[in-house]
Amino acid sequence: AQKVTQAQTEISVVEKEDVTLDCVYETRDTTYYLFWYKQPPSGELVFLIRRNSFDEQNEISGRYSWNFQKSTSSFNFTITASQVVDSAVYFCALSEADNNAGNMLTFGGGTRLMVKP
Amino acid sequence: EAGVAQSPRYKIIEKRQSVAFWCNPISGHATLYWYQQILGQGPKLLIQFQNNGVVDDSQLPKDRFSAERLKGVDSTLKIQPAKLEDSAVYLCASSLLGTTSFGPGTRLTVT
Repeated sequence: AQKVTQAQTEISVVEKEDVTLDCVYETRDTTYYLFWYKQPPSGELVFLIRRNSFDEQNEISGRYSWNFQKSTSSFNFTITASQVVDSAVYFCALSEADNNAGNMLTFGGGTRLMVKP
Repeated sequence: EAGVAQSPRYKIIEKRQSVAFWCNPISGHATLYWYQQILGQGPKLLIQFQNNGVVDDSQLPKDRFSAERLKGVDSTLKIQPAKLEDSAVYLCASSLLGTTSFGPGTRLTVT
């Protein structure tokens, strides 16, 4: 069975601080995908990144960066120089490899990030 | 490209009443999902369709929940009768080539 754990339920930082959101996953699959989604107060889930289990290269997109460590089954997300607009709930998710029937996502419990001005 | 559309956005009903939610996925997306998100938790899959066939409904409480996807496009999710614990946001999503897009959700309150 697949499982995603986000141990930090809530994080509060002051604007311009860096913050890292942790994600640990469990799966028996050798091929899988990892995701991060952002859920702002409006409620809609916004896709941030998808990472293939065979690609352990870290990725950077603007102020966002992701660190995938297969050895520790972790896929952590760092926001550099946080801004008030980053305040949201962030979800890490896992799916098995692509097949003709799509990808069911298993979500973690989410981390609520509050960025104070 | 238009996103996943859902209606209504909000619904308040009394327990034991019935309710239905509608979803229109992104054009061309063969796979459609319904997720339930209880307050303070991550979304949980209820049912997955591939075109108009069910791929996975193992977590759907079939004694009260039903879903259909006629003609492989729009989908409806029904709850009959509703219980207090069904209060949640119901998210519809569709996917193509491994990336899943979510709709705005329907917030259901059962009183």
